[in-house]
Amino acid sequence: EAQVTQNPRYLITVTGKKLTVTCSQNMNHEYMSWYRQDPGLGLRQIYYSMNVEVTDKGDVPEGYKVSRKEKRNFPLILESPSPNQTSLYFCASRLLAGGPPYEQYFGPGTRLTVT
Amino acid sequence: GNSVTQMEGPVTLSEEAFLTINCTYTATGYPSLFWYVQYPGEGLQLLLKATKADDKGSNKGFEATYRKETTSFHLEKGSVQVSDSAVYFCATIHTGGFKTIFGAGTRLFVKA
Repeated sequence: EAQVTQNPRYLITVTGKKLTVTCSQNMNHEYMSWYRQDPGLGLRQIYYSMNVEVTDKGDVPEGYKVSRKEKRNFPLILESPSPNQTSLYFCASRLLAGGPPYEQYFGPGTRLTVT
Repeated sequence: GNSVTQMEGPVTLSEEAFLTINCTYTATGYPSLFWYVQYPGEGLQLLLKATKADDKGSNKGFEATYRKETTSFHLEKGSVQVSDSAVYFCATIHTGGFKTIFGAGTRLFVKA
């Protein structure tokens, strides 16, 4: 089954304790992206990657890191989480080749609480 | 830069009522436009899409038409069901296809 998986689905942590949220897709997509969803703000893009070792900032990259060492995986790293990073996080992927419409496939989400 | 504005929710309707959720966008070039739906506790799913002016996207009874003259992509459904209760997001792809801009989302409640 074609899918995007994220782990963990739920995470409660404390300020400053480094964490990683994993994302994996089995569709051989070149493009992967991380979003955070906050009430009243919709989804905002954190980072995206066009292929292995190629990443770029989205609209809200501060406090986050990413890496793309393999095509299927795109982990999100919070080196020193803070309470304002409490949010619902989504990973997504899509093909790059072939032009529009650039439909994205989303993971189930990771709810992160930083106390 | 690109932006998307959606009507604020929540929207509460009775079953079989007509639904419209407004969406307008600002963008350079010719963006692709999308409606995604998020059911409770789940990720986003693509509902419909359009890639050029006057295209009509449709799926599961929902429709939206890409109106370049009014920079709009309003979502409509003729007769909603309780199972349509969800959050709906309008989105546009930045020129070049790398950055996606989402609206704030509109929560729909449908009462039996």
